[in-house]
Amino acid sequence: SAVISQKPSRDICQRGTSLTIQCQVDSQVTMMFWYRQQPGQSLTLIATANQGSEATYESGFVIDKFPISRPNLTFSTLTVSNMSPEDSSIYLCSVWGQGNEKLFFGSGTQLSVL
Amino acid sequence: GIQVEQSPPDLILQEGANSTLRCNFSDSVNNLQWFHQNPWGQLINLFYIPSGTKQNGRLSATTVATERYSLLYISSSQTTDSGVYFCAVELIWGKLIFGQGTELSVKP
Repeated sequence: SAVISQKPSRDICQRGTSLTIQCQVDSQVTMMFWYRQQPGQSLTLIATANQGSEATYESGFVIDKFPISRPNLTFSTLTVSNMSPEDSSIYLCSVWGQGNEKLFFGSGTQLSVL
Repeated sequence: GIQVEQSPPDLILQEGANSTLRCNFSDSVNNLQWFHQNPWGQLINLFYIPSGTKQNGRLSATTVATERYSLLYISSSQTTDSGVYFCAVELIWGKLIFGQGTELSVKP
């Protein structure tokens, strides 16, 4: 399994501001994934973060709104920019475990935008 | 794109009861996983099961890939089993598509 530390665990933010979420993994991984879970909903993939290249965004998500950094093989950040109440969600980072069979998740960041 | 449908959407059980959760998917997949999201939001990977049957304690899962469905069995349910159960399939390598989940509530 993989141990994933994510912070902050929760935050309350004002509209128009930005929040950066950090994700640290206990081993080197090629890809890290960022998911969003809106209230009462399932998980939706935002983007895939590869070290040394730009992140790949899924349909409906853009870099200006969700810039991602991946400075090394154990760390990534997701920024939620110019927030609005519609951005209130849980944001989760994830990585594949050894053997690429199981996906493991961090504990998530509960974001509330007022 | 691939569709992942879970049923039932909600389930209420008395402690000790058994249950079966279902996941249907619309296309062939290389990877299928079951997750449990506890009431505090933590996602736990239960099974990697692209085909066949696996068991882990009171939980077991079966995937019939040729018929495009997977089942998660919970026996002798406990209140700690409460939460949301998701199945997810791999669309492109590394990217999982999640179903809408089954919300389970186990009453003492």
